[in-house]
Amino acid sequence: DTEVTQTPKHLVMGMTNKKSLKCEQHMGHRAMYWYKQKAKKPPELMFVYSYEKLSINESVPSRFSPECPNSSLLNLHLHALQPEDSALYLCASSQDPGQGGGYTFGSGTRLTVV
Amino acid sequence: AQSVTQLDSHVSVSEGTPVLLRCNYSSSYSPSLFWYVQHPNKGLQLLLKYTSAATLVKGINGFEAEFKKSETSFHLTKPSAHMSDAAEYFCVVITPTSGTYKYIFGTGTRLKVLA
Repeated sequence: DTEVTQTPKHLVMGMTNKKSLKCEQHMGHRAMYWYKQKAKKPPELMFVYSYEKLSINESVPSRFSPECPNSSLLNLHLHALQPEDSALYLCASSQDPGQGGGYTFGSGTRLTVV
Repeated sequence: AQSVTQLDSHVSVSEGTPVLLRCNYSSSYSPSLFWYVQHPNKGLQLLLKYTSAATLVKGINGFEAEFKKSETSFHLTKPSAHMSDAAEYFCVVITPTSGTYKYIFGTGTRLKVLA
């Protein structure tokens, strides 16, 4: 299995809702990442998990809450989002966080906040 | 600090003609550089990477890139464009931080392929 799987592919949520994005990989990768991508822009890093521990939080608002229950799974919990949080949310993984190799990206979750 | 500059925001080529997407980098040491492609509403796919081995790097789908230290460039090329190459392309340099690495993305180049 050489894929990163993200679910759901599309999500519409109200500003008072709570929802979660899920990301899964079975490549034995030990680093996992959340990115946010607005239209016609490059991805922006949100969080990095290294060996299941949060190693980087790019000053992301607390309405986004990441979780890494095990080495294969990464969640992003969403609560009280704003319309400007609408974007494509990408998950990625890499084999060794200390080696700086290539990432494998999922296809993303297209989030719309109404 | 590491950075990359993609010199063209849009490139248009005719099908069957060569593709050149330009990327310059800035790095205080020997960088690791990547090219990714993103088709509409999709994730990013790694095309190729340079990690201080051979300076001419061959990637998937006929793409290649040459690392030129003297010019601080890592341009992406393909001899003959195909309609399926139409996509957004990102040049990336990695930078060490907090015991791991971060990707620094260029602003992207949108490739249009004309029939």
